[in-house]
Amino acid sequence: DQQVKQNSPSLSVQEGRISILNCDYTNSMFDYFLWYKKYPAEGPTFLISISSIKDKNEDGRFTVFLNKSAKHLSLHIVPSQPGDSAVYFCAATFVRSGYALNFGKGTSLLVTP
Amino acid sequence: DGGITQSPKYLFRKEGQNVTLSCEQNLNHDAMYWYRQDPGQGLRLIYYSQIVNDFQKGDIAEGYSVSREKKESFPLTVTSAQKNPTAFYLCATAGGDYEQYFGPGTRLTVT
Repeated sequence: DQQVKQNSPSLSVQEGRISILNCDYTNSMFDYFLWYKKYPAEGPTFLISISSIKDKNEDGRFTVFLNKSAKHLSLHIVPSQPGDSAVYFCAATFVRSGYALNFGKGTSLLVTP
Repeated sequence: DGGITQSPKYLFRKEGQNVTLSCEQNLNHDAMYWYRQDPGQGLRLIYYSQIVNDFQKGDIAEGYSVSREKKESFPLTVTSAQKNPTAFYLCATAGGDYEQYFGPGTRLTVT
């Protein structure tokens, strides 16, 4: 039962424009949401996170928005750069699970020059 | 040089053999996790440990076993009971909160 869903398998954006990656979840118990960036045959790299008590968190070019009523979050990358091309995973967790992460299936982002 | 080490990067085994994947960390993190990734899929939790000598099953623990005898080490054994063992295996650690940091992974191929 997939509790975290990324419904767009791929996204293509021009360099300099905004990339918006979306994620939906079903479990109301999730306390924290994370975004990871991953290249093939490598471990995921932590990007940014947000607590369920906030609706926005920003770190440089990366901003995550959380809409709890819609059970939806999004990652905005502005401006997008070719080096941002990778697979992005949304993950969610809660304290009582030992902070074990539930992952979406990922969105492959391609930033073209 | 701090970090998480997984060795080897690539591992090949014959069907019916048990194989143990290594995960070592020098970050002094209490919690350690094992995930597997299959093509086109997200990461799925196999086992996790929040403290030495204690561990819990994740969503897909069948056919796997772990031990946590030392804080630095959390080896994963893929047994012959695991029906589809070929996958990319990832180890992660966390230092007391929800942010997990991943090792480079081990690609296991069983033929």
